[in-house]
Amino acid sequence: DSGVTQTPKHLITATGQRVTLRCSPRSGDLSVYWYQQSLDQGLQFLIHYYNGEERAKGNILERFSAQQFPDLHSELNLSSLELGDSALYFCASSAYLGQGRNEQFFGPGTRLTVL
Amino acid sequence: DAKTTQPNSMESNEEEPVHLPCNHSTISGTDYIHWYRQLPSQGPEYVIHGLTSNVNNRMASLAIAEDRKSSTLILHRATLRDAAVYYCILWGSNNNAGNMLTFGGGTRLMVKP
Repeated sequence: DSGVTQTPKHLITATGQRVTLRCSPRSGDLSVYWYQQSLDQGLQFLIHYYNGEERAKGNILERFSAQQFPDLHSELNLSSLELGDSALYFCASSAYLGQGRNEQFFGPGTRLTVL
Repeated sequence: DAKTTQPNSMESNEEEPVHLPCNHSTISGTDYIHWYRQLPSQGPEYVIHGLTSNVNNRMASLAIAEDRKSSTLILHRATLRDAAVYYCILWGSNNNAGNMLTFGGGTRLMVKP
């Protein structure tokens, strides 16, 4: 158990809909990262928040947005869903800003299926 | 971003040591070498990381070449539970925005009983 929790575990929805994925980082970790893993793309970095502030964006679509709240939990919002958005979404946390000397701890993921 | 090169797959026998290689010839002086693994149907799991010196922890050892252009993850006695995809990743130690983990294809390790 990494200490990172994600809800829900599974989500099935239809095209055009909007969903919210939630992540609670390990106690005390200030950084939260979101990743998408699909069969054909592998693990792709989406976005990084540190202590409530967006710090880096990766391959995140404009239909997707995220935020980190004062209690440090984070939410990833996916809207106007398409079939291609079906994937595993992982959240990870680390203690600090993102220096390589700190490891990332990953949650169990949310499996999103868009029908 | 500095890139890493790993074999697509490797096989090992149970209870034997496994050496997983990684080449990173364009590594910069501030890049840490991280290893993560992903077991089937699970999230990635941190294994080990280092900068210049060899590192040991309860899961594995990390041997870093003197010029830092390659590294080897060593599992001392492979078990069936070690069957996973192993990712070698470079992660910078600066605080710049955009400093993130970039996963490549990794090495799929198969462990035979």
